[in-house]
Amino acid sequence: DTGVSQDPRHKITKRGQNVTFRCDPISEHNRLYWYRQTLGQGPEFLTYFQNEAQLEKSRLLSDRFSAERPKGSFSTLEIQRTEQGDSAMYLCASSLETGIRYEQYFGPGTRLTVT
Amino acid sequence: AQSVSQHNHHVILSEAASLELGCNYSYGGTVNLFWYVQYPGQHLQLLLKYFSGDPLVKGIKGFEAEFIKSKFSFNLRKPSVQWSDTAEYFCAVNFHTSGTYKYIFGTGTRLKVLA
Repeated sequence: DTGVSQDPRHKITKRGQNVTFRCDPISEHNRLYWYRQTLGQGPEFLTYFQNEAQLEKSRLLSDRFSAERPKGSFSTLEIQRTEQGDSAMYLCASSLETGIRYEQYFGPGTRLTVT
Repeated sequence: AQSVSQHNHHVILSEAASLELGCNYSYGGTVNLFWYVQYPGQHLQLLLKYFSGDPLVKGIKGFEAEFIKSKFSFNLRKPSVQWSDTAEYFCAVNFHTSGTYKYIFGTGTRLKVLA
C-alpha cells in the first residue's frame, strides 16, 4: 500500500490554458474522489467515481472541468480555459466502498496557481 | 443544506494545556463522523472516526472525540497537547441521502501549540 499519489504536486499556468492532473488511488480501492480546497476552507467535494463510473458531480464542477477514470484505476481531472478563480489545491482521495461505512485516504494534492 | 461547522478557526495553546475543538453538523439522519489532521506540509490524515457504538472514540496520538447525537456534535479533545500537535484539524461527516453519499468537511481549525 503506497497510498494515494497525485501528479504534479504544483502547477503554475496562465489564464486561458488547459491543465490536467492525475491521481493514482490505493490499488484495491474502487472509489475515487476529487476535492478542491482554498485557503481557509475545508475540502469541497467535486466529483466521485465508483470503478470507472462517475456517480456524482458537484455544482462546483463547471463545464470547464472534466474528470475521467477510464479503467477504474487512475483518474484525471482536466480544467479547460483556466481562470484565476481556479487557483486552489486539488485533492484526490480513495476508499474501499463498503456501504456507508468507509473512510477516505487522501493524496498530497496538486496546487494550481493561475496567473 | 447540510453543513459542518467548526467554530474555532484559530486556537493557540501552550504545551500541556487541554484541547477541545468544536464540531457541529446539520443532518437529521444517520451519520458517520471523522476528524482529519493536516500537519504542515503533509496531506490530510485520519485522526479518528465514529460509525456506531460507544459515542466516545479514541484515535491516534491521544486524541478522542465524543459524539452527542442530541447536540449534533462531535468535539475533539486531548488532555495535554504537545508542540507536535500544531496542525490544522478538520471535522467531516458522511451520510447517505437521495441515493448518493455525501462527505462534507468543516472549514478547519488551525491549532498552534507553543513550546
